[in-house]
Amino acid sequence: DQQVKQNSPSLSVQEGRISILNCDYTNSMFDYFLWYKKYPAEGPTFLISISSIKDKNEDGRFTVFLNKSAKHLSLHIVPSQPGDSAVYFCAAISGGYQKVTFGTGTKLQVIP
Amino acid sequence: GAGVSQSPSNKVTEKGKDVELRCDPISGHTALYWYRQSLGQGLEFLIYFQGNSAPDKSGLPSDRFSAERTGGSVSTLTIQRTQQEDSAVYLCASSFQSPGELFFGEGSRLTVL
Repeated sequence: DQQVKQNSPSLSVQEGRISILNCDYTNSMFDYFLWYKKYPAEGPTFLISISSIKDKNEDGRFTVFLNKSAKHLSLHIVPSQPGDSAVYFCAAISGGYQKVTFGTGTKLQVIP
Repeated sequence: GAGVSQSPSNKVTEKGKDVELRCDPISGHTALYWYRQSLGQGLEFLIYFQGNSAPDKSGLPSDRFSAERTGGSVSTLTIQRTQQEDSAVYLCASSFQSPGELFFGEGSRLTVL
């Protein structure tokens, strides 16, 4: 039962353009969402998060959008840079309980 | 160091042997998680420790898997009678206050021959 889904296993974007990574979830109890970035042979690192009381959170080139009615969130990276090439994981938490459920990841390649 | 430390970084073992993977979380972090990532797969939750509460073991795939956390700090994940399907990168993470801001170690890559 995959409660957090990232349906695109990979994405290729030109440097300078916008990268949009999508994530869908099924558990309506999720109320906090996060994005992590992972380089090969390294552990994932936290990127940005959003609470369910918001629909947008921005941090520099990274913006996360949350659509609760559609149970959908997205990560926008603009402008994309070659160093952004990594696997991006969407994650979710429910009701203050800190178990974090991750999606399957999307591999982003930013082409110079 | 200040980060999450995992050992060994690589472990090759024969099918049927037992293995132990160790995690040293960031000092003061009350929550500790184990995940694994099999080839081409996402991060699969295994077990979660929070302070002195009973751990959430709901992700352990079989009774061959167990984990303990001693003194609220170091954790050991034990896999008994390893199988080839246990081959994966086992990731440990810890967190303190902010919900979900996990800090991951670099992982222990387990290969079962």
